[in-house]
Amino acid sequence: GAGVSQSPRYKVAKRGQDVALRCDPISGHVSLFWYQQALGQGPEFLTYFQNEAQLDKSGLPSDRFFAERPEGSVSTLKIQRTQQEDSAVYLCASSWRDSLTTEAFFGQGTRLTVV
Amino acid sequence: DQQVKQNSPSLSVQEGRISILNCDYTNSMFDYFLWYKKYPAEGPTFLISISSIKDKNEDGRFTVFLNKSAKHLSLHIVPSQPGDSAVYFCAATSYNNNDMRFGAGTRLTVKP
Repeated sequence: GAGVSQSPRYKVAKRGQDVALRCDPISGHVSLFWYQQALGQGPEFLTYFQNEAQLDKSGLPSDRFFAERPEGSVSTLKIQRTQQEDSAVYLCASSWRDSLTTEAFFGQGTRLTVV
Repeated sequence: DQQVKQNSPSLSVQEGRISILNCDYTNSMFDYFLWYKKYPAEGPTFLISISSIKDKNEDGRFTVFLNKSAKHLSLHIVPSQPGDSAVYFCAATSYNNNDMRFGAGTRLTVKP
């Protein structure tokens, strides 16, 4: 595809339910980032992959959050036992280089609402 | 802790005039700064960036100014156009870091 694609666009989960959010980065992009954007806030870093290696997961808020990129392309962000505070837009971004000092392309995001 | 701050949640400007969006940061380790633009229901798109070795970078109608001593940067849009109406995010990172920190954003409205 031409850009970063995320699915689903919208997800409503009952509290305690597990969810999986998918990111298809731009083909050939080495770096992949996940961000969480709460209402009225800027995006906050969650985790970073370089190819299939998860090099930084310091932003994951709890051990309920798990991300993978097993073949170095598609990535999945999984949230177990969702809580209301997990409600946010989850943004995925990819970049062809291994540094954020080059342009990162963002997807449209997945809006997660936990009820 | 908010390392990147955009203190103006909104700004309204008349078409043709200059828009100035401001951003302050606290972490002196940041050495690369970016501005992203976001339309509703879309992801942020890269607009312009500046390295800490420069104090100005210009791209068409968009100019970013960096004042390292004040830990302040600003984005100037001139002349402003209605299509510039969007939320603008300031972001900062460093060359040896994978974590890009964003401000809370400023909603710019350009009135025809």
